[in-house]
Amino acid sequence: DTAVSQTPKYLVTQMGNDKSIKCEQNLGHDTMYWYKQDSKKFLKIMFSYNNKELIINETVPNRFSPKSPDKAHLNLHINSLELGDSAVYFCASSLKTDTQYFGPGTRLTVL
Amino acid sequence: AQSVTQPDIHITVSEGASLELRCNYSYGATPYLFWYVQSPGQGLQLLLKYFSGDTLVQGIKGFEAEFKRSQSSFNLRKPSVHWSDAAEYFCAVVMTTDSWGKLQFGAGTQVVVTP
Repeated sequence: DTAVSQTPKYLVTQMGNDKSIKCEQNLGHDTMYWYKQDSKKFLKIMFSYNNKELIINETVPNRFSPKSPDKAHLNLHINSLELGDSAVYFCASSLKTDTQYFGPGTRLTVL
Repeated sequence: AQSVTQPDIHITVSEGASLELRCNYSYGATPYLFWYVQSPGQGLQLLLKYFSGDTLVQGIKGFEAEFKRSQSSFNLRKPSVHWSDAAEYFCAVVMTTDSWGKLQFGAGTQVVVTP
C-alpha cells in the first residue's frame, strides 16, 4: 500500500551515461513533483506536473527531462550525466496545492 | 528576498528532554507552513502543517508547532524526546499566492539524541 514509490532506490553510473528514475503514486493526486537534495541536504524543487501538464520548471539544465505519461506517474530522464548530478532525487505528489507526500528517494551516484 | 531560515544546523538533546527547533520565514504574506522529518536514509515524512486558524498545531509523534505572525516564526516543539526522534528536520513553506504549491525548504536541523 505504498503511497509514493520510486525506482530504483540506488543508481550508480558513469559520467556521460543516460539514466531514468521512475515515480508512481496511488493517492489519486493530480500534481507531482521532482526535488533534488544535494550533499548538504538542501532540498530544491526541479519540476512539477499537474494532470500531465508541466507547471513548474525551475532553472534546471536541459539534460533533465521529466515525463508524465498519466496523473499517477512522473519519470525523470537525465542525459549525459555529470559528477554534479550526484544527489538524492525525491518525487512527491499532492492534490493541487495541498500537502505534498514524498517518496523514499533515489540516491544517484555519478562516477 | 523570500527565504526560510532554520538558524540551528545541529542540535544535541538528551533523551527525555524537551526539544525546540526554530523556523523563520521572510515573505510578503503569511505562507502555508510545514514541518517534515527525514530519518537517515529515508524519505520525508510530514509532521504537521499550518494553513490558517488555531496557531498551535498538533502533529504526529507528539510534535507541535506554534505560528507567530509577529515574529514570522513557526517553531517545532516536543516535550520529551525519544531516541527515535534523531533525524533531520525541515521547515518548508508554500506561498498562498502560488497556484501550484512550490515548496521552499529551510536548510534543515539535524537532531542528535544522547542517552
